[in-house]
Amino acid sequence: DVKVTQSSRYLVKRTGEKVFLECVQDMDHENMFWYRQDPGLGLRLIYFSYDVKMKEKGDIPEGYSVSREKKERFSLILESASTNQTSMYLCASSLSLGRVPYEQYFGPGTRLTVT
Amino acid sequence: DAKTTQPTSMDCAEGRAANLPCNHSTISGNEYVYWYRQIHSQGPQYIIHGLKNNETNEMASLIITEDRKSSTLILPHATLRDTAVYYCIVHSKAAGNKLTFGGGTRVLVKP
Repeated sequence: DVKVTQSSRYLVKRTGEKVFLECVQDMDHENMFWYRQDPGLGLRLIYFSYDVKMKEKGDIPEGYSVSREKKERFSLILESASTNQTSMYLCASSLSLGRVPYEQYFGPGTRLTVT
Repeated sequence: DAKTTQPTSMDCAEGRAANLPCNHSTISGNEYVYWYRQIHSQGPQYIIHGLKNNETNEMASLIITEDRKSSTLILPHATLRDTAVYYCIVHSKAAGNKLTFGGGTRVLVKP
């Protein structure tokens, strides 16, 4: 089974802190994604990566950056955390072969609270 | 990706089939219908997807109408663990593997 793991289930940080959220997948997937999920707004894509060292902005990249130095690991960075970044953060991965869009496999999520 | 419309919520009796409808009247020829679900406090889980033909796997069946403007996800024997939010997503490769999640249907399986 595909496994996507995230470094923390719950995280509490202070405003202005630099925050690192780590995601690791064990299925050699090319694509990796970071979403945030908020009540009433659903899941929104922050960034995604289709290869090592490659990244693309999603729908809401402001205030975030990402790093993909190894194929299995995709990090989300909040350079200076703000209270409006309090949210559930979800990482996902997928294959990228052929014409059929492949299903995404999600991690358990990190609930981040910025105080 | 085309927009989808799902009921906000529905209840289902344990052991009975759950039929979850989804409208996607603006779907285009190269777009697939995907279903995911999200159990409380977990990440979304892929269930099934299809293009034109009906599909079945160990989790569910997907029935797509001939005009492809709507589909139904069928959970054949709902259990309490099937209580979740179910998302119907229309997706194409051209969207660059980006999924657009709508509001979904909150399904409550009752004993």
